[in-house]
Amino acid sequence: AQSVTQPDIHITVSEGASLELRCNYSYGATPYLFWYVQSPGQGLQLLLKYFSGDTLVQGIKGFEAEFKRSQSSFNLRKPSVHWSDAAEYFCAVEGGYNKLIFGAGTRLAVHP
Amino acid sequence: DAMVIQNPRYQVTQFGKPVTLSCSQTLNHNVMYWYQQKSSQAPKLLFHYYDKDFNNEADTPDNFQSRRPNTSFCFLDIRSPGLGDAAMYLCATCRGGEWGYNEQFFGPGTRLTVL
Repeated sequence: AQSVTQPDIHITVSEGASLELRCNYSYGATPYLFWYVQSPGQGLQLLLKYFSGDTLVQGIKGFEAEFKRSQSSFNLRKPSVHWSDAAEYFCAVEGGYNKLIFGAGTRLAVHP
Repeated sequence: DAMVIQNPRYQVTQFGKPVTLSCSQTLNHNVMYWYQQKSSQAPKLLFHYYDKDFNNEADTPDNFQSRRPNTSFCFLDIRSPGLGDAAMYLCATCRGGEWGYNEQFFGPGTRLTVL
């Protein structure tokens, strides 16, 4: 069965520091992969997605993610974090029939 | 702007008292989803409509029902809310029927409190 693992429940970084959020997936075929961001009390906003092609994908708000098939990973990165990036981040895989399977999320705190 | 709207944003109900959550969309998408997200957990798909066809996830409790009277609206009915049903409920839509994956667009959610 398809699944998504986000090993880090909480991450704290200083403003201006670089960020990497980890995501590992389990899927038999070439996956469709996503990163969503959720601010407190809000819905989910799509940051970026990978369907095929270039394994480094660019998203909104300066985020990027790299698909590594050999490691079954799709890690999210940002070179310089802003205080407004504090939120919860969810990695997801399309699990067939256009359904999304989410990881448990990583809560990001940003220190000034 | 085209969007997904959920009402109310916050809902308080009593244990066992039926409650209905509403979702509407101006995107004219034919697929609508309901997710349940408990505190500090991932969203979990409850069911979805593909046009008028209702698709229930295997582990969705019978206590949860849904109605879709037209393309724009979808309702989530919780017949007898228990304390364990307190959660954020997210509605999402997509344009189904095209090749490959179609992006889901999420509403802001309704936070349900059960007293």
